[in-house]
Amino acid sequence: DAGVIQSPRHEVTEMGQEVTLRCKPISGHNSLFWYRQTMMRGLELLIYFNNNVPIDDSGMPEDRFSAKMPNASFSTLKIQPSEPRDSAVYFCASSRQGKGGYGYTFGSGTRLTVV
Amino acid sequence: RKEVEQDPGPFNVPEGATVAFNCTYSNSASQSFFWYRQDCRKEPKLLMSVYSSGNEDGRFTAQLNRASQYISLLIRDSKLSDSATYLCVVNNNFGNEKLTFGTGTRLTIIP
Repeated sequence: DAGVIQSPRHEVTEMGQEVTLRCKPISGHNSLFWYRQTMMRGLELLIYFNNNVPIDDSGMPEDRFSAKMPNASFSTLKIQPSEPRDSAVYFCASSRQGKGGYGYTFGSGTRLTVV
Repeated sequence: RKEVEQDPGPFNVPEGATVAFNCTYSNSASQSFFWYRQDCRKEPKLLMSVYSSGNEDGRFTAQLNRASQYISLLIRDSKLSDSATYLCVVNNNFGNEKLTFGTGTRLTIIP
């Protein structure tokens, strides 16, 4: 199993530019999560999907952030326009629905720097 | 009040010592509990689940006290390789996969 695959690993962009982060969950996992990690706030859940449907997006900071899951094997997190305060590590994770948090697997993360 | 609270540390502990971390959670309806480990510039990885009866995995022991809403992790005979950030994690609804993470406790084992 290849695990959860995220791309890119690193992204440096200028303020105002659009940024798209990508995630491929583990095959057979039907829950997908986007987290953001900063030194100040730790790991925060942005949004999660069950069976490609967004279930809880209460953690999405503002309208500049959007996430999609067009099929079971792919999700994107988009920031438009990006701001320096968006600099963080963005993790994608997946699990099987109904496991109550067991079997969670994280991707390696995307380190985003907005200058 | 944060849903999951941990002492951020850092804990600087000599090799071979025993170290304990504590964590409290605010939602009494929380269903499942975990300790994750995160190495520098890496993703979090599951260290162990935490049960009311307590559980042990080699040098690691985890305890849950539901009445006090308190979770602990004990590391015995600490190794240099134990240096990492330890995250206390809670799930509030067994049908819901959402995990809430504490901000983590940083541990450094000193030779």
